[in-house]
Amino acid sequence: GAVVSQHPSWVICKSGTSVKIECRSLDFQATTMFWYRQFPKQSLMLMATSNEGSKATYEQGVEKDKFLINHASLTLSTLTVTSAHPEDSSFYICSASRDSGAFFGQGTRLTVV
Amino acid sequence: QKEVEQNSGPLSVPEGAIASLNCTYSDRGSQSFFWYRQYSGKSPELIMFIYSNGDKEDGRFTAQLNKASQYVSLLIRDSQPSDSATYLCAVNVDDMRFGAGTRLTVKP
Repeated sequence: GAVVSQHPSWVICKSGTSVKIECRSLDFQATTMFWYRQFPKQSLMLMATSNEGSKATYEQGVEKDKFLINHASLTLSTLTVTSAHPEDSSFYICSASRDSGAFFGQGTRLTVV
Repeated sequence: QKEVEQNSGPLSVPEGAIASLNCTYSDRGSQSFFWYRQYSGKSPELIMFIYSNGDKEDGRFTAQLNKASQYVSLLIRDSQPSDSATYLCAVNVDDMRFGAGTRLTVKP
């Protein structure tokens, strides 16, 4: 299977600060990556589709000015949670797709205090 | 109607039994189908994918696809406590759409 690396695996930040999460496809090029959020005991929620070289496509209800996505290269997408608040605390997961399926990063557990 | 539907469970089976997980999808144009396993606090990992009608076996896992009925299932033979997790069905049309997942508990 393909390898997708996500960093950091966990982060604690103060309310009002910004946090950047990186997602890298290590052994393949990904023109499209996906960002999900998952609250405890709930299903994956697609936040946005990250497109290399163009603007991300956000799902309904996701604030694009709060969740900034940059897909600067074929192997790297970043999600920046701006002005984080406690309600943004969640498990954020990225994925990249190949013909054989979607492969997920390890996830980032964000806690905003 | 949701694009991908799964029974949320929990599904509980005794160790050694067969666990049967089911999934239906709404888009007849779907071409590829995937099963993921997600342990608590971890990200999903791909177990199997299936493209053609019929069965596909990989070790203790068998994926079954019936495009006419828009139905895909995952059978886990000789279930082990370590199989206890949430199983996500995913369908790829233009992009990957996931079901909400079925929580499986295998009791020793």
